[in-house]
Amino acid sequence: QVQLIQSGAEVKRPGSSVRVSCKAPGGTLLNYAVSWVRQAPGQGLEWMGGIIPMPDSPNYAQKFQGRVTITTDELTATVYMELRSLRSEDTAVYYCARGGDIVIKSGHWGTSFDLWGQGTMVTVSS
Amino acid sequence: EVVMTQSPATLSASPGERATLSCRASQSVGSDLAWYQQKPGQAPRLLISGASTRATGIPARFSGSGSGTEFTLTINSLQSEDFAIYYCQQYNKWPAFGQGTKVEIK
Repeated sequence: QVQLIQSGAEVKRPGSSVRVSCKAPGGTLLNYAVSWVRQAPGQGLEWMGGIIPMPDSPNYAQKFQGRVTITTDELTATVYMELRSLRSEDTAVYYCARGGDIVIKSGHWGTSFDLWGQGTMVTVSS
Repeated sequence: EVVMTQSPATLSASPGERATLSCRASQSVGSDLAWYQQKPGQAPRLLISGASTRATGIPARFSGSGSGTEFTLTINSLQSEDFAIYYCQQYNKWPAFGQGTKVEIK
């Protein structure tokens, strides 16, 4: 099954930062909206934020505002998610997901997610 | 913020039976509703978007219906590989997921 390709598992100390990368086979990911979704152990899915091409500016869920940054590298067609000031509650699997259907309205947008990465486990522990 | 509520939390059914999963939005999301299947240790997989359009390769036993605030995912004749957790997600506004329904073997 085709998947987006994410970077490997990370173990971080509380207060530090983590950066996770995401690429598509064939390098076409930047033509799509891309979001980051996380899943704490035994819990549901939580949208953290995403970026849409044109204007290629990221938007973040209110819960993560000020702590998360989503960026793209056009040269390598890679999308990155950085989460700062990590705490134990940030222990989760982090997924990147490609936008499928997209709805763009004044002030906000939304997408379904038609292709996912394999997930990156981030463990925050002292 | 749109809150998505799924019911039931757990559904017990036997292979061959029909499963009906519900999803409610706290405000209208039109038809901007997707369903996902997730198995242990795997990423979610898109089943349905636009409330009723099956994604590529999804078997016809999966069907979605509804609009506005009430949505349903129906799985006809459950197969062994269908026992999993199912999530709904709206994308009419900033994306938001329901808490999931676990379909387990009775």
